[in-house]
Amino acid sequence: KQEVTQIPAALSVPEGENLVLNCSFTDSAIYNLQWFRQDPGKGLTSLLLIQSSQREQTSGRLNASLDKSSGRSTLYIAASQPGDSATYLCAVRLEYGNKLVFGAGTILRVKS
Amino acid sequence: DADVTQTPRNRITKTGKRIMLECSQTKGHDRMYWYRQDPGLGLRLIYYSFDVKDINKGEISDGYSVSRQAQAKFSLSLESAIPNQTALYFCATALGGSSTDTQYFGPGTRLTVL
Repeated sequence: KQEVTQIPAALSVPEGENLVLNCSFTDSAIYNLQWFRQDPGKGLTSLLLIQSSQREQTSGRLNASLDKSSGRSTLYIAASQPGDSATYLCAVRLEYGNKLVFGAGTILRVKS
Repeated sequence: DADVTQTPRNRITKTGKRIMLECSQTKGHDRMYWYRQDPGLGLRLIYYSFDVKDINKGEISDGYSVSRQAQAKFSLSLESAIPNQTALYFCATALGGSSTDTQYFGPGTRLTVL
C-alpha cells in the first residue's frame, strides 16, 4: 500500500527566506507526483505536477524535484512571502484510475 | 462562477441522520471523486466515478454511498451519520487518465456529526 509522508508538519519562517518542504513515498511505481496548495475555505489548487519520467518542474518562485528511485520529492520556495502561508500537500498518482494518495501536509506560515 | 461547487458548505447534524452532500461541475469532466480530510491526515478517497455508469469504491467507502445523477453531478450520502464521520469533505474532477491530468477540487464541505 502506497504511503506518503511529509516533513515537517509545520513550519514558520520570516519573510524572504528560502525554504524546502519534503515528501516521501513508499512505492516508486507512480505515474506522477503533484504538489497542491490548500487555503481555508478554498479547496486545493495544483501548484506543480512532475511526471514519473521527469526530475523537476518550475513555476515562478516554486521548484519541485522528484527522485523516484529513492521515493522522494522536495518543494523549494524562494524568497517566501506572507501570501505563501497555506498548507502544502504532496500527492502521488497510482498507476490505475487517476487515484491520488496524499500526504498529511505541511502547514507553512510566513511572518512579515 | 466556480468550476466545482459543493453544497452545503457547512452542516451540523445528529447521529443517525441521513445526510447528502452534493457536487456540481461545469468543467465537462467525466471523472469525479469524493475525499474526506481529517486533522493530521491526508485526503482519503471515498468513492470515484469515471462516467455516469461507472462507480467505484475508494479506500474508505464503508458508511457512505454515492449517486452520479449526470456527468456534472456526483452526490455523497451518509445513510446513518456517526460522530467519526465528522470531517472536511472534498469533491474533485478530472478530465481523463493522461499522466499530465490533474484533479480540480471544490471548496469543501465541513460536516459535524454530534
